[in-house]
Amino acid sequence: DGGITQSPKYLFRKEGQNVTLSCEQNLNHDAMYWYRQDPGQGLRLIYYSQIVNDFQKGDIAEGYSVSREKKESFPLTVTSAQKNPTAFYLCASSISAGNSPLHFGNGTRLTVT
Amino acid sequence: GENVEQHPSTLSVQEGDSAVIKCTYSDSASNYFPWYKQELGKRPQLIIDIRSNVGEKKDQRIAVTLNKTAKHFSLHITETQPEDSAVYFCAASKNAGKSTFGDGTTLTVKP
Repeated sequence: DGGITQSPKYLFRKEGQNVTLSCEQNLNHDAMYWYRQDPGQGLRLIYYSQIVNDFQKGDIAEGYSVSREKKESFPLTVTSAQKNPTAFYLCASSISAGNSPLHFGNGTRLTVT
Repeated sequence: GENVEQHPSTLSVQEGDSAVIKCTYSDSASNYFPWYKQELGKRPQLIIDIRSNVGEKKDQRIAVTLNKTAKHFSLHITETQPEDSAVYFCAASKNAGKSTFGDGTTLTVKP
């Protein structure tokens, strides 16, 4: 069953700690993305990767980092430098960047206190 | 960069009526325009998309129109049903580029 898997579904961390969100896909898609969703603000792009070993900043990359060492995996680290990290994080993939539909994971809700 | 504006932010219709959501984009190089539906607590899912070489596309009760000159595209839902209630997002992108989303429209269909 092909799809995109995010884990965990809920994540709680103390302020000042880095935390890594997992995203795995078995769709053989080249492109992967991380979006942040806050109430009433739609989907804002954090980072995206068009191909393995390459990634680019999105609109709100400050305080976040990513890696793309494998085609299937695109983990997102929320660092202590992110001023307001509590949010719903969505990972997505597409066959190629820019001209094919996004397939989303179920999301990770991160709460930092 | 690309900027996508979506209107209205909320829309309430009676069951059986039509609903229209409009988006405008700024980058004339954008050539792919998908629409996603997100039900409460779930992931966004593609419902229909259109490319810049097409002016209109239909899929049963859902249609999308694109006006490249004016740089706007619209989602039309006919014969709305309560299960159409959700948040709808438009997006715009170009080859090898990132997808930029509108802020979403919360559609409520009243039985």
